[in-house]
Amino acid sequence: GNSVTQMEGPVTLSEEAFLTINCTYTATGYPSLFWYVQYPGEGLQLLLKATKADDKGSNKGFEATYRKETTSFHLEKGSVQVSDSAVYFCALGGATNKLIFGTGTLLAVQP
Amino acid sequence: EAGVVQSPRYKIIEKKQPVAFWCNPISGHNTLYWYRQNLGQGPELLIRYENEEAVDDSQLPKDRFSAERLKGVDSTLKIQPAELGDSAVYLCASSPKGGRGAGELFFGEGSRLTVL
Repeated sequence: GNSVTQMEGPVTLSEEAFLTINCTYTATGYPSLFWYVQYPGEGLQLLLKATKADDKGSNKGFEATYRKETTSFHLEKGSVQVSDSAVYFCALGGATNKLIFGTGTLLAVQP
Repeated sequence: EAGVVQSPRYKIIEKKQPVAFWCNPISGHNTLYWYRQNLGQGPELLIRYENEEAVDDSQLPKDRFSAERLKGVDSTLKIQPAELGDSAVYLCASSPKGGRGAGELFFGEGSRLTVL
């Protein structure tokens, strides 16, 4: 069945460091891929998405490219801020309109 | 525009007691989801509604869990009786469109259940 594997956290970075959070997936067909973010005390919210191979999703300085050949959707940001501290979830959406989430990666950015 | 509203935010009960969670989705969203998020894990789908119809409840433990979405708007998720392993955050989400690859779910803040 469909599944998502995320790198385990926590990831601790200093402000202005480069961020990569790895995400790989297993799926039949042509899923859409998503990154959701959960800030402390808040609900999950969509960060970015890509609906087909080679698409790049971007938002708030974050980017992720849908790589079908490596079944990956890694999240990157060139310079993180303290305000980026949150839990990041990679997710896969298939034909059934059901999202399958990874286990989440806690990012802690230190000033 | 108001977001997805859930209540209660927190609930502590003893095992074998019943509990209910309520969700009001974003106005006009016809798809409603209940997810369960265990500590340190990603959310897992319990049930999905398209309007009033439960179209995917394969992951709902039907011996103790029930859900309803009367009139295709608000929804209630009930657990009776609760077990220790039910301690989790119960998330409600809604989506403005169904079909393949929509994926833009709007989540509420969740209801954190602790079963003692």
